[in-house]
Amino acid sequence: ILNVEQSPQSLHVQEGDSTNFTCSFPSSNFYALHWYRWETAKSPEALFVMTLNGDEKKKGRISATLNTKEGYSYLYIKGSQPEDSATYLCALWVGAQKLVFGQGTRLTINP
Amino acid sequence: GAVVSQHPSRVICKSGTSVKIECRSLDFQATTMFWYRQFPKKSLMLMATSNEGSKATYEQGVEKDKFLINHASLTLSTLTVTSAHPEDSSFYICSAARGAPEAFFGQGTRLTVV
Repeated sequence: ILNVEQSPQSLHVQEGDSTNFTCSFPSSNFYALHWYRWETAKSPEALFVMTLNGDEKKKGRISATLNTKEGYSYLYIKGSQPEDSATYLCALWVGAQKLVFGQGTRLTINP
Repeated sequence: GAVVSQHPSRVICKSGTSVKIECRSLDFQATTMFWYRQFPKKSLMLMATSNEGSKATYEQGVEKDKFLINHASLTLSTLTVTSAHPEDSSFYICSAARGAPEAFFGQGTRLTVV
């Protein structure tokens, strides 16, 4: 069974603070890694697709890094805002044919 | 672009009846569609992967006769929960892949079996 692990499961951060969380995965059979943001009552929104070891992607205040050799990815949020409150999902493409999700990190930004 | 529409968003059905959920890619052709189920306080559990014109590949522990998946065209996949029971009540969500590794989600369906 393929395990994609995210930590922490939940996180409370003060508005304006920066934060980061982790996605760990087995490094064998890696094809690509996704980060999604999932707000309540909405579809998960794709943030990043990462394929190469050492990839770094950035979208506004959110960025992500990827280490395929050791099997982890970090998502960073700089200067958290209330609208960043959501569940952040990491998903692994396995062999280009299957998309497997981690448990998610539920982020709450306190004003 | 890359819009996926899932319907219905909510459905309540009686125990023993069947329910069909549709997943459509509106502006692209989806080579592969994924069906997920979310248990309370858990992540999205992959149920099956379907490719247009071929049988779905089910994950271990998912009953293929219970959860019928049809991927008849490059823009439509359906999940039918047959003879639904209260334990089938859950949140089901589809994802359509526009060629790996891009995948886009529908809005999800909240199924309640009474």
